[in-house]
Amino acid sequence: TQLLEQSPQFLSIQEGENLTVYCNSSSVFSSLQWYRQEPGEGPVLLVTVVTGGEVKKLKRLTFQFGDARKDSSLHITAAQPGDTGLYLCAGAGSGGGADGLTFGKGTHLIIQP
Amino acid sequence: EAGVAQSPRYKIIEKRQSVAFWCNPISGHATLYWYQQILGQGPKLLIQFQNNGVVDDSQLPKDRFSAERLKGVDSTLKIQPAKLEDSAVYLCASSLTDGIPSLPGNTIYFGEGSWLTVV
Repeated sequence: TQLLEQSPQFLSIQEGENLTVYCNSSSVFSSLQWYRQEPGEGPVLLVTVVTGGEVKKLKRLTFQFGDARKDSSLHITAAQPGDTGLYLCAGAGSGGGADGLTFGKGTHLIIQP
Repeated sequence: EAGVAQSPRYKIIEKRQSVAFWCNPISGHATLYWYQQILGQGPKLLIQFQNNGVVDDSQLPKDRFSAERLKGVDSTLKIQPAKLEDSAVYLCASSLTDGIPSLPGNTIYFGEGSWLTVV
């Protein structure tokens, strides 16, 4: 079983601050995805990272995949209340093909105005 | 484009009763997933279908859970008899194919979920 550990579990910061959340595993993943889930909704895909060391930017969000493809981070610059939500990382197995995603427990993020 | 549709949105049942959830995936999506998300945790895959065949049901508690996708489109997930620990959100998701999720055509889209409370 491939486990993904996310930290911190909870984070509450003021609007305008920067933050980083982490996703770590002892296993290698062929790809890793970040989702954002709002209350009462299903997860929505933010980004997929595939190559070790890859960095992707989505407006104020920066995603990085570790060189060894075992960990990832999500950095948010100048956080806004609209960023509030549950951030989930999910890994696809190194076997490729028909692998369901393995999700972490998520980071609950609250941005206070 | 219509998203993944699920019903009912909310269900409260007593333990030992049965419940069924329905899912209509995005049109043309061959792969359908059922995930269980317990409060405070990430989603856990219960079962994955490719058209009307089961690809992975290794984490489905088969003594009480069953799922089918008879015509390769809609799917139902049934729990009988329900236990208190089955209280969770049941998320249905779909993707075009069952290929590597990193490929754009294989993005997994989630429904809003069916919230189950077992009392």
